[in-house]
Amino acid sequence: DIQMTQSPSTLSASVGDRVTITCRASQSISSWLAWYQQKPGKAPKLLIYKASSLESGVPSRFSGSGSGTEFTLTISSLQPDDFATYYCQQYNSYPFTFGPGTKVDIK
Amino acid sequence: EVQLVESGGGLVQPGGSLKLSCAASGFTFSGSAMHWVRQASGKGLEWVGRIRSKANSYATAYAASVKGRFTISRDDSKNTAYLQMNSLKTEDTAVYYCTRLKTGYGYDYWGQGTLVTVSS
Repeated sequence: DIQMTQSPSTLSASVGDRVTITCRASQSISSWLAWYQQKPGKAPKLLIYKASSLESGVPSRFSGSGSGTEFTLTISSLQPDDFATYYCQQYNSYPFTFGPGTKVDIK
Repeated sequence: EVQLVESGGGLVQPGGSLKLSCAASGFTFSGSAMHWVRQASGKGLEWVGRIRSKANSYATAYAASVKGRFTISRDDSKNTAYLQMNSLKTEDTAVYYCTRLKTGYGYDYWGQGTLVTVSS
């Protein structure tokens, strides 16, 4: 199985900050990586697919990059609505696996 | 409007069974691969399994942790996917989400989740 790791596990930031989250895969997954945002009590929401493609309706302050085994999610200017937990997921091969999550909270 | 609505969750004793349903609307259900993902309280997301479309022979796949105990099925005439869970263990306690895999994109539609609690 492909193992996914994320760093940091928790990130404290202020509104307006630039935020970067890193996701690593235990083997190459090409660009078959998605990023999701989850708020408490809610289902995850797709933000980025194919490592760098922005899902329809997602604000342009979110961006993704990377390929192979190392990926990043960047929020260019953190907004109040962005405080949440972010997960990466590989869909290169089964079983699909998620990273452990990065919680973005208010500094 | 796209909707995925899960139902069937509840409290069950260890060793018991439960069947979850996921009713879909607002997209072409019959052509979609449907997946189940679960999340234990305060924990991360875990892929449970999937069922492909008729065009892909309704092929199923499961996580090792549930293989042999869980079965995914679908009824395209009812736009509904199912997760039959047998021999439940306390570690199966979680919110179960059904989700649509858009090939090459990831999970674009999610249900609201249904809570399964396995406890004596």
